[in-house]
Amino acid sequence: RKEVEQDPGPFNVPEGATVAFNCTYSNSASQSFFWYRQDCRKEPKLLMSVYSSGNEDGRFTAQLNRASQYISLLIRDSKLSDSATYLCVVRGPGNQFYFGTGTSLTVIP
Amino acid sequence: DAGVIQSPRHEVTEMGQEVTLRCKPISGHDYLFWYRQTMMRGLELLIYFNNNVPIDDSGMPEDRFSAKMPNASFSTLKIQPSEPRDSAVYFCASSFGGYQETQYFGPGTRLLVL
Repeated sequence: RKEVEQDPGPFNVPEGATVAFNCTYSNSASQSFFWYRQDCRKEPKLLMSVYSSGNEDGRFTAQLNRASQYISLLIRDSKLSDSATYLCVVRGPGNQFYFGTGTSLTVIP
Repeated sequence: DAGVIQSPRHEVTEMGQEVTLRCKPISGHDYLFWYRQTMMRGLELLIYFNNNVPIDDSGMPEDRFSAKMPNASFSTLKIQPSEPRDSAVYFCASSFGGYQETQYFGPGTRLLVL
């Protein structure tokens, strides 16, 4: 079983829509959680960390559910510039980082 | 800051040849990570260093792969001999403090082994 699993999509949404991605992780002892964004043919960049209490950064909201072992990312009022691949990242107990294969988002005008 | 620097940006080689990828982490960062990204397997951690010492190389696919970090500002990932299945994008990333801290990725090296 993979350490981190994501729905690859693609998600095609109109501008202004709200879209949510989920990600599940297998190791209950995982300690840190992140969402990274990767544009086509570019390197991944940190979008936001995910805290136990949930956190928000502008139009982006991240949630963590330890009981069900999943994290989520909600994007409100989607912009064309949000089109990218979103990578779920989990840090395991041994300090290893596990990346999901990514969820592709295309925001359509 | 220049960010993480990788070279070369693109590499095309023939099967059996030696390939050396280079990385310069962000100054002051004490962790360095090597990743490989393919469409099928996504982003995989190959090895990471802390203060120039390899900590976990369990992601290195086989003995053909080796990595070194002779000093805090330079690391190499070597594939010898290369095979077509090694074709991928190889990313180097660095961070300060390791876990819970942002990893900054370099632009990647796109490797094609013919």
